[in-house]
Amino acid sequence: DARVTQTPRDKVTEMGQEVTMRCQPILGHNTVFWYRQTMMQGLELLAYFRNRAPLDDSGMPKDRFSAEMPDATLATLKIQPSEPRDSAVYFCASGTTLYEQFFGPGTRLTVL
Amino acid sequence: DQQVKQNSPSLSVQEGRISILNCDYTNSMFDYFLWYKKYPAEGPTFLISISSIKDKNEDGRFTVFLNKSAKHLSLHIVPSQPGDSAVYFCAASGGSNYKLTFGKGTLLTVNP
Repeated sequence: DARVTQTPRDKVTEMGQEVTMRCQPILGHNTVFWYRQTMMQGLELLAYFRNRAPLDDSGMPKDRFSAEMPDATLATLKIQPSEPRDSAVYFCASGTTLYEQFFGPGTRLTVL
Repeated sequence: DQQVKQNSPSLSVQEGRISILNCDYTNSMFDYFLWYKKYPAEGPTFLISISSIKDKNEDGRFTVFLNKSAKHLSLHIVPSQPGDSAVYFCAASGGSNYKLTFGKGTLLTVNP
């Protein structure tokens, strides 16, 4: 049963600290997405990659967020420095078709 | 500017009855629409989709209707079951990119 995995599942940190979230896409999926879910904004697309190349990161605050795919089995989302307003659930998703995306369980981030 | 709107934050129905979840969109470039279902502490999972060349798509108890002139789609669940209780997200995509734009979700509660 192929699934997208995300680590950590929960992260509590203090303002100003660096946060790194990791995602392992489903083997063979060549498109990877990062989303953020908040009560106010719902599900927002932060960035996505196709064949490891970043295609769009317009949804991401550039000054503090960065997303990379060091290899086909790992995607990372970093926040440095973190702020309380970054508190949210961050989802990674992967896919191959134009539209269907398989989501991971999410990382719940709390910045104090 | 929200391009995909789910105006009902919540909906409560009795088991066995029909659940109707609604979604409106503003971007006329959207040509593919999806519904995702999300349980607590899990990522969204794909439920059903519809292309703009159709006005109806059915999969078991789930039917999605698309009214392009009104820029409106709806998800019908018949009969509703307690296990259907979840947050339902409407999503839309258009053009050749891989981006999905999500609504904020509707919490469906099916009472036994």
